[in-house]
Amino acid sequence: DTEVTQTPKHLVMGMTNKKSLKCEQHMGHRAMYWYKQKAKKPPELMFVYSYEKLSINESVPSRFSPECPNSSLLNLHLHALQPEDSALYLCASSQDRAEPDTQYFGPGTRLTVL
Amino acid sequence: AQSVTQLDSHVSVSEGTPVLLRCNYSSSYSPSLFWYVQHPNKGLQLLLKYTSAATLVKGINGFEAEFKKSETSFHLTKPSAHMSDAAEYFCVVSDRGSTLGRLYFGRGTQLTVWP
Repeated sequence: DTEVTQTPKHLVMGMTNKKSLKCEQHMGHRAMYWYKQKAKKPPELMFVYSYEKLSINESVPSRFSPECPNSSLLNLHLHALQPEDSALYLCASSQDRAEPDTQYFGPGTRLTVL
Repeated sequence: AQSVTQLDSHVSVSEGTPVLLRCNYSSSYSPSLFWYVQHPNKGLQLLLKYTSAATLVKGINGFEAEFKKSETSFHLTKPSAHMSDAAEYFCVVSDRGSTLGRLYFGRGTQLTVWP
């Protein structure tokens, strides 16, 4: 099973709202990733968790707050977003971040900020 | 430093004809190379992966790619296109030389398949 699930599929929020994106995998992977993808562009790395510890933050604004409650779950908390944050947010996982390995992607959450 | 160049932003083929999506890479180390496909409003699906075993890599849905070190290329091919192959394709190189495990994406190639 190489499935990464993400909820919700679609999210519309105002600039003052607080919302969360959720990602889950049951492949025993110990590295999990958040990417942001704008239309017609490749994904851009936002955060990397390795063994439930944040190891990479690509200078992402603090209005995005990641959380890894356990080895299977990854959340992205959103607060006071801007319209330019509208994008497809992808979660991925891999066996081990230190040894570059195959990343398996979820279907994404389509976020619209009004 | 690692980088990927996808030589075509758009490729159009007729159904039943061969597909060629071109990719060149630059890597300071022995690279791992991937092709991912993304259908509209979907996540990325792994098509195939090269990690220094056989240079000709077979993937899902009839796709294959050949690693050519002398040409620093990793082109994706399929003998006969199907309508369902219409999608965005990303060539990706991983950073095996560091502990970061980053992926470096090409800009993508949009494949259109005409009936």
